[in-house]
Amino acid sequence: NAGVTQTPKFQVLKTGQSMTLQCAQDMNHEYMSWYRQDPGMGLRLIHYSVGAGITDQGEVPNGYNVSRSTTEDFPLRLLSAAPSQTSVYFCASSHTSGSIDEQYFGPGTRLTVT
Amino acid sequence: AQSVTQLGSHVSVSEGALVLLRCNYSSSVPPYLFWYVQYPNQGLQLLLKYTSAATLVKGINGFEAEFKKSETSFHLTKPSAHMSDAAEYFCAVSEAGAGSYQLTFGKGTKLSVIP
Repeated sequence: NAGVTQTPKFQVLKTGQSMTLQCAQDMNHEYMSWYRQDPGMGLRLIHYSVGAGITDQGEVPNGYNVSRSTTEDFPLRLLSAAPSQTSVYFCASSHTSGSIDEQYFGPGTRLTVT
Repeated sequence: AQSVTQLGSHVSVSEGALVLLRCNYSSSVPPYLFWYVQYPNQGLQLLLKYTSAATLVKGINGFEAEFKKSETSFHLTKPSAHMSDAAEYFCAVSEAGAGSYQLTFGKGTKLSVIP
């Protein structure tokens, strides 16, 4: 199993540009989520999905869009990039949406918006 | 609402010394608690989790944590630090019960190990 994969590893965008961060998992996990990590802030939840066709907002959803058309994939779209979205983005998945399930994290995408 | 406080954004210990990373939580119901570790330029991986089966939880790499309800704490310890333990550590809480899909993370504690 490859686990959770993310592409690209690094990205530089200009303000106003749009892009999609890709996330895929091959563990047949129901639950997938996106976090952003900023220095001194820990990880904050952006959006999550409890299954194909079902998504919901987390703590910091503004400026981001998600969809879940398959179990495997959960892309994160930046609609119009802003410097405040400079961050490291992590995708995670777990077997179910239960509270005690371990979340498996991808290696992250480091995004810089100039 | 649940929350996590990690005391100390940066902790330094000598190789072979005790590691103690502090975590206090706030939750309106009995929580599930986790410690994750992040090595440089990598994603997070689970060290251990508390799910109410036992208050002392043993994890990977010699780490353990004790759930103390009276103190609302879940501190992480390791008797003897190794150079390979240098990383950032995150405590996280998830409230028990149906519909609770979200982990709330603390801000992290960066552990340095001095040779």
